[in-house]
Amino acid sequence: KQEVTQIPAALSVPEGENLVLNCSFTDSAIYNLQWFRQDPGKGLTSLLLIQSSQREQTSGRLNASLDKSSGRSTLYIAASQPGDSATYLCVGVGAGSYQLTFGKGTKLSVIP
Amino acid sequence: EPEVTQTPSHQVTQMGQEVILRCVPISNHLYFYWYRQILGQKVEFLVSFYNNEISEKSEIFDDQFSVERPDGSNFTLKIRSTKLEDSAMYFCASSQGLAGGREETQYFGPGTRLLVL
Repeated sequence: KQEVTQIPAALSVPEGENLVLNCSFTDSAIYNLQWFRQDPGKGLTSLLLIQSSQREQTSGRLNASLDKSSGRSTLYIAASQPGDSATYLCVGVGAGSYQLTFGKGTKLSVIP
Repeated sequence: EPEVTQTPSHQVTQMGQEVILRCVPISNHLYFYWYRQILGQKVEFLVSFYNNEISEKSEIFDDQFSVERPDGSNFTLKIRSTKLEDSAMYFCASSQGLAGGREETQYFGPGTRLLVL
């Protein structure tokens, strides 16, 4: 059964700083890996999706990497802004499954 | 931009009562999902639904739960006899289904917060 772990649980940084969020997963037979953002009262927003054949995806100031052999993914946020404050969720999909397996998330606070 | 909507945003019910949570998926999507998040815990998969059938369900999705697509737009989750431990945020999601529902992005609604007293 796929397990997803995220470190740290919470992170506070000053505005403008670059930061990295870490995620590890137990099953290397992963179909794809997604990063979501969770804002209170606004549900879940998909940020990046990395398919198992890919190593990274970029969208604006966000870059996500996937290393299946080590069971790790990272989300890099460049030049952080207060609007980036949210909980970031690492989510895996195992081979042959429709279900998303979520990590517990990293709560990011960007201080102006 | 199309989005998934859910009603109600909050629901309070007494233990043992039936509740129906409603979702309107994005109109051209073919796969539908329910997830839940107990306060302070991870988001957990409940069920996926395609072509009017359950395609996958978790061990959480027992006989107390059922899903239905009663018409061309709504997707519902029914809990027959609620328990205290059913208190959670329930998220509906949908995906296009172009790749068989597995590789693609799932779009989530804002959630329904259910409180069972």
